[in-house]
Amino acid sequence: GAVVSQHPSRVICKSGTSVKIECRSLDFQATTMFWYRQFPKQSLMLMATSNEGSKATYEQGVEKDKFLINHASLTLSTLTVTSAHPEDSSFYICSGTPGHGDEAFFGQGTRLTVV
Amino acid sequence: GDSVTQMEGPVTLSEEAFLTINCTYTATGYPSLFWYVQYPGEGLQLLLKATKADDKGSNKGFEATYRKETTSFHLEKGSVQVSDSAVYFCALSDNNAGKSTFGDGTTLTVKP
Repeated sequence: GAVVSQHPSRVICKSGTSVKIECRSLDFQATTMFWYRQFPKQSLMLMATSNEGSKATYEQGVEKDKFLINHASLTLSTLTVTSAHPEDSSFYICSGTPGHGDEAFFGQGTRLTVV
Repeated sequence: GDSVTQMEGPVTLSEEAFLTINCTYTATGYPSLFWYVQYPGEGLQLLLKATKADDKGSNKGFEATYRKETTSFHLEKGSVQVSDSAVYFCALSDNNAGKSTFGDGTTLTVKP
């Protein structure tokens, strides 16, 4: 299957700083990428949908000014957690799909810890 | 909206026992259905999938059949191993939008 690479796999940052997470599709062009958040021992919740070259669509309750998403190319989407706080600590997972009706492929996830 | 309801866990089995994890869904249209596995500290791995009614997905001894009449996609394995211990997520994909909706996950622990 197709490969989606997510980086970094783990990051620890200080409260108030910003952290960028990258999601790359290695062997296909991802016209759409999705960002999910997983709290400990809970399921994955969709945060936002990003389409290459356009603004991301955020799910209800997700602060778009706090979680900045950029999908500048067909192989790269980034999620920047701005002014991070301890409550932002979580597991973030991205997925990419080549197009409508295609299977989504998931990255390995990023565990963010804000201290 | 779309939703996935998954059997609550945790589930603890002895090695070689039979496994069933129930999953039912609600969706408009004709979604694809998936089972993912997540090992401790890792991301999601696709275990199996089915894209239309009556399809059976299978992988590594696990099976699940897409039942439209009961809106179910139950995961089964005839003989579990210790290495199967993980969290299992049932999910559906909106084939038009591409986004996935996940169940709450079921933690499986297999004891020797």
